[in-house]
Amino acid sequence: KQEVTQIPAALSVPEGENLVLNCSFTDSAIYNLQWFRQDPGKGLTSLLLIQSSQREQTSGRLNASLDKSSGRSTLYIAASQPGDSATYLCAVEAGGSYIPTFGRGTSLIVHP
Amino acid sequence: NAGVTQTPKFQVLKTGQSMTLQCAQDMNHNSMYWYRQDPGMGLRLIYYSASEGTTDKGEVPNGYNVSRLNKREFSLRLESAAPSQTSVYFCASSKGIGQGSEAFFGQGTRLTVV
Repeated sequence: KQEVTQIPAALSVPEGENLVLNCSFTDSAIYNLQWFRQDPGKGLTSLLLIQSSQREQTSGRLNASLDKSSGRSTLYIAASQPGDSATYLCAVEAGGSYIPTFGRGTSLIVHP
Repeated sequence: NAGVTQTPKFQVLKTGQSMTLQCAQDMNHNSMYWYRQDPGMGLRLIYYSASEGTTDKGEVPNGYNVSRLNKREFSLRLESAAPSQTSVYFCASSKGIGQGSEAFFGQGTRLTVV
């Protein structure tokens, strides 16, 4: 069974810092890995999707990398802003089960 | 550009009552999912439908039933609600399971069972 772990569980940083959020998974036979953002009381918004054949994806200040051999992905947020405050979740779609399995998320607070 | 639409957004039920959560997507996606989100537990899959006409159990299916009404709609039914089913329910869709495609989520239904 695929297990997805996100570290740290919570993070509080001053505005302007560069951040790294981590996601690890146990089954490396994945189809894709997706990063989401969730604001309090809201649904999940897709940030980046990395296909199994890709090593990284970029969107604006966000960069996500994927290393299947080590079972890890990182989400890099450059020059963090208070508007980045949210919970960030990663989800892995793996071979066998096919269905997206989620980590428990990293709760990020960026203070001015 | 609606994406995935869930109704209702909020609901309070008494123990033993039944209700159906509705979900519709307008992206012509083949696969649809129902998750529940609880504090400290993350998102857990209840049921999914890989394609129109098929449904399968996820991690936590007990106490729920689903219907894939057509390609657009996937409903979740609680036959006899219990306080343990108090949660936030999310519907999601994607082009297809096993295709490495992006998943899109609705805004959620906040259900309280008293």
